[in-house]
Amino acid sequence: KAGVTQTPRYLIKTRGQQVTLSCSPISGHRSVSWYQQTPGQGLQFLFEYFSETQRNKGNFPGRFSGRQFSNSRSEMNVSTLELGDSALYLCASSWQPGGTDTQYFGPGTRLTVL
Amino acid sequence: AQSVTQLGSHVSVSEGALVLLRCNYSSSVPPYLFWYVQYPNQGLQLLLKYTTGATLVKGINGFEAEFKKSETSFHLTKPSAHMSDAAEYFCAVSEVPQGAQKLVFGQGTRLTINP
Repeated sequence: KAGVTQTPRYLIKTRGQQVTLSCSPISGHRSVSWYQQTPGQGLQFLFEYFSETQRNKGNFPGRFSGRQFSNSRSEMNVSTLELGDSALYLCASSWQPGGTDTQYFGPGTRLTVL
Repeated sequence: AQSVTQLGSHVSVSEGALVLLRCNYSSSVPPYLFWYVQYPNQGLQLLLKYTTGATLVKGINGFEAEFKKSETSFHLTKPSAHMSDAAEYFCAVSEVPQGAQKLVFGQGTRLTINP
């Protein structure tokens, strides 16, 4: 079974631009979560989607948004990019929400903002 | 709010030596606890998890962890380190019983294995 896939793997943008990252969960998984990883702040939760609905959101500004499609694929969008948005963005999928279910992580998208 | 503290951002051990990575958590509800490993330029891979039941949890690659409620700890151990264990390790707690699929991570511990 294929794992979580994220596209693109690497991205370079300039300040003020916007970016869209894509995540395809493991087949059959309906819950998708997004995390931001930076050297300074570590791993931080962005949001979680289940059945096309955002169930939970982390403490990030409104420039960060996401959505989930009927096939469980998810996208996250960052508008008006800032230098501090440079990070590894990780997507994770699981069968369903709930604390016991294992989240399987993709390889991430490394975003560099110049 | 739940939180996780990993003691030691860097740990270095010799090949064949015991690996001990420390994790303490703060939670107002029974926690679900996880250890993940991250190799360079890769995502996170689950090593093991504790939900309920037996407090000693065995994971992949010879790792295990023990949940100690009285000490609010979930330390990760491996009896004999291998060069391939060099990576960054993250302890995480899941916010329950709200049912949210949200992991709160520690800052990570980079494990170096000396030949």
